[in-house]
Amino acid sequence: RKEVEQDPGPFNVPEGATVAFNCTYSNSASQSFFWYRQDCRKEPKLLMSVYSSGNEDGRFTAQLNRASQYISLLIRDSKLSDSATYLCAVNIDSWGKFQFGAGTQVVVTP
Amino acid sequence: DTAVSQTPKYLVTQMGNDKSIKCEQNLGHDTMYWYKQDSKKFLKIMFSYNNKELIINETVPNRFSPKSPDKAHLNLHINSLELGDSAVYFCASSQEEAATTEKLFFGSGTQLSVL
Repeated sequence: RKEVEQDPGPFNVPEGATVAFNCTYSNSASQSFFWYRQDCRKEPKLLMSVYSSGNEDGRFTAQLNRASQYISLLIRDSKLSDSATYLCAVNIDSWGKFQFGAGTQVVVTP
Repeated sequence: DTAVSQTPKYLVTQMGNDKSIKCEQNLGHDTMYWYKQDSKKFLKIMFSYNNKELIINETVPNRFSPKSPDKAHLNLHINSLELGDSAVYFCASSQEEAATTEKLFFGSGTQLSVL
């Protein structure tokens, strides 16, 4: 099993709809989780951290399920500009080493 | 006022050549990284340095040698380039070492194509 796995998609989402996807991780000792957004041929940019109790940032909601070892990202009221690849990042040791998933592609259509 | 800048943006070279990629950050961060993103989009850590000291050294061929002249710079030198080295290389920085809550700031990437 890979350390961090994501459904590659693409998730084709009509504008205004809601989309959600998960990222599973194998290391039960992982403590830090992040969602990054990567546009085509660009660098990843932090979207949001994922906190134990779940957190929201505008239209984006992140959740952590420790028991099942996954994090999720939900995007409400999708905009065309949300089209991107969403990478999850999970720390796999205490030395700042993060493992990234291969990303989930989201395509928002008019 | 780019936070993490790396050069060149594109690098096309022949097999067997030696090349370098430079990275600089003006965020005052203590830790810098090199990541490789291959054609399958996996972003894998290669090295990290904290205040010029090597912290993480993944299983990377020793043809890859990072060099950190100061904490604001982390360069990557690659000897005897191979076809499989073709990828996008991202430099990144974070505030602290061993701080698992630290987010990463990435440079815009260097697309390396080995012919």
